[in-house]
Amino acid sequence: EIVLTQSPGTLSLSPGERATLSCRASQSVSSSYLAWYQQKPGQAPRLLIYGASSRATGIPDRFSGSGSGTDFTLTISRLEPEDFAVYYCQQYGSSPVTFGQGTKLEIK
Amino acid sequence: EVQLVESGGGLVKPGRSLRLSCTASGFTFGDYAMSWFRQAPGKGLEWVGFIRSKAYGGTTEYAASVKGRFTISRDDSKSIAYLQMNSLKTEDTAVYYCAVGGGSWYFDLWGRGTLVTVSS
Repeated sequence: EIVLTQSPGTLSLSPGERATLSCRASQSVSSSYLAWYQQKPGQAPRLLIYGASSRATGIPDRFSGSGSGTDFTLTISRLEPEDFAVYYCQQYGSSPVTFGQGTKLEIK
Repeated sequence: EVQLVESGGGLVKPGRSLRLSCTASGFTFGDYAMSWFRQAPGKGLEWVGFIRSKAYGGTTEYAASVKGRFTISRDDSKSIAYLQMNSLKTEDTAVYYCAVGGGSWYFDLWGRGTLVTVSS
């Protein structure tokens, strides 16, 4: 199975700053089948990005995804207070689907 | 309203069984594969398994960690997916989520989850 490694484990930033989260796959993710989710405490994951760079319905344009092959990035251009959460990447190019271990984005 | 609601969680002893339900509303349940995930306390997300729609044979796939112990089924007439969990272990303790994807194996609709605690 494909192992996804997210970095950093924790990212401390202030509102208004730019956040860059990384997701590296142990082997190439076919067709850029890579998604990003946001999860807040006590809540279910929320889909942000699919197909590596397509925003899900209702997701603000400050969220963007990029990458291909084994290296993918989620960028939040200007952090809002509600963006502080845990972020997971997920690959669905091969079975089984797998998730990264998460990056916690915390307020500095 | 389009939603998924899990139920059936609780405290159960090791070795016992539990059945979770995922009730869907607001969309044509039978057209979609239904997936189950879990999240152990303070940990990340883990795929548990899925059941395809009847159009794709209604077949199932499971994670290696639950294969042979867990069974997923569906009742399209009631818009419910089930997760039958047998021979439960302490390491099965987690919040269990059901989810559905619109066009592929990413998931844009999730339930709020139900907590399963396996402890003596």
